[in-house]
Amino acid sequence: NAGVTQTPKFRILKIGQSMTLQCAQDMNHNYMYWYRQDPGMGLKLIYYSVGAGITDKGEVPNGYNVSRSTTEDFPLRLELAAPSQTSVYFCASNSPMTTTEAFFGQGTRLTVV
Amino acid sequence: KQEVTQIPAALSVPEGENLVLNCSFTDSAIYNLQWFRQDPGKGLTSLLLIQSSQREQTSGRLNASLDKSSGRSTLYIAASQPGDSATYLCAGRDTDKLIFGTGTRLQVFP
Repeated sequence: NAGVTQTPKFRILKIGQSMTLQCAQDMNHNYMYWYRQDPGMGLKLIYYSVGAGITDKGEVPNGYNVSRSTTEDFPLRLELAAPSQTSVYFCASNSPMTTTEAFFGQGTRLTVV
Repeated sequence: KQEVTQIPAALSVPEGENLVLNCSFTDSAIYNLQWFRQDPGKGLTSLLLIQSSQREQTSGRLNASLDKSSGRSTLYIAASQPGDSATYLCAGRDTDKLIFGTGTRLQVFP
């Protein structure tokens, strides 16, 4: 199983540029999440989704947008990149069942210059 | 609002020591608690999942406990090894989402 796949692994953006971080999972999980991790810090929730067509804001949603048109995919969009968005971004998925663990992608390291 | 705290932020120990990492949460209505390991520059690897109805889980040299009434979870690592050096993160499941602590950076030296 591929699990949770994120692309790209690395990206450098200029201030004001836009990009989409891709996330796909093959475990048929309803729940998907986007987190960011700044150096030496824990993970902060950006957006999450409990199923196709349903998304909700997390702790730090400003400057980002998401969509969930299929169960498998949950892309994260940065519209106007700012240096404050330099971070490592992790996508995760989980089942609604509380007995199951969450699975994470390998991360996307984004630098905005 | 659920908040998760981990103490200590960093820990350096000699090889062979038994050690305890702490995780505290403010809302006892969590559904489960998950411990992760993160190596530098890498993603998260799940270590243990404790459901809200359980008191502890064990995997090899790792043992995690959960006390919802006091809002605490601990990760016990027995006979630590240099290969255990990493950052350890706990995350509480709050209805639909995982809320993370800030992590404990562990270094085990030979």
